[in-house]
Amino acid sequence: GENVEQHPSTLSVQEGDSAVIKCTYSDSASNYFPWYKQELGKRPQLIIDIRSNVGEKKDQRIAVTLNKTAKHFSLHITETQPEDSAVYFCAASMIGSWGKLQFGAGTQVVVTP
Amino acid sequence: SAVISQKPSRDICQRGTSLTIQCQVDSQVTMMFWYRQQPGQSLTLIATANQGSEATYESGFVIDKFPISRPNLTFSTLTVSNMSPEDSSIYLCSVEGLAGVYNEQFFGPGTRLTVL
Repeated sequence: GENVEQHPSTLSVQEGDSAVIKCTYSDSASNYFPWYKQELGKRPQLIIDIRSNVGEKKDQRIAVTLNKTAKHFSLHITETQPEDSAVYFCAASMIGSWGKLQFGAGTQVVVTP
Repeated sequence: SAVISQKPSRDICQRGTSLTIQCQVDSQVTMMFWYRQQPGQSLTLIATANQGSEATYESGFVIDKFPISRPNLTFSTLTVSNMSPEDSSIYLCSVEGLAGVYNEQFFGPGTRLTVL
């Protein structure tokens, strides 16, 4: 089955700096890659996603890139703010298995003022 | 956007008992799922709740332990049976197919279960 690895496990950044989280996946059949943000005690929130026919997608300060050849995708947060502090999860879904998301282990992001 | 609710939000249960968790969506969805998130851990898919048929379980999860119902397109239940302290976790439902948009999955607020 699919295996998703996520790095780093923790990331501390100064407010205003950029944060990058990287994930790799094992199954080349995966074609949908969402990112979730989970604040303490809250539900995971979908913040951005990318499909395998797209190399990059941006939404304001957030961007995701996908390298299908290398089987890795990354989340980029620019101009970080304290409210970006949370746990971020990447996930992957296989063709024909829509909804069966395999999650990475998560990255705790701490943005210090 | 749709509202996804879960009941109860939290519970403390005794070993050997069972708890049924409800998930309600305010609009019809194609897919409903149940996940477990153990403290400080990632999310693990338990099963896909199929409307009108038996749920599809992931490896390591069985129907006798986690019976699931989905009587219609807006509601599902997960029962955690014969509980042990190892079942202490957050249980989340998720849905896909809101407003006809596929692949995007949205989560309920979760049920925090503590088993003594």
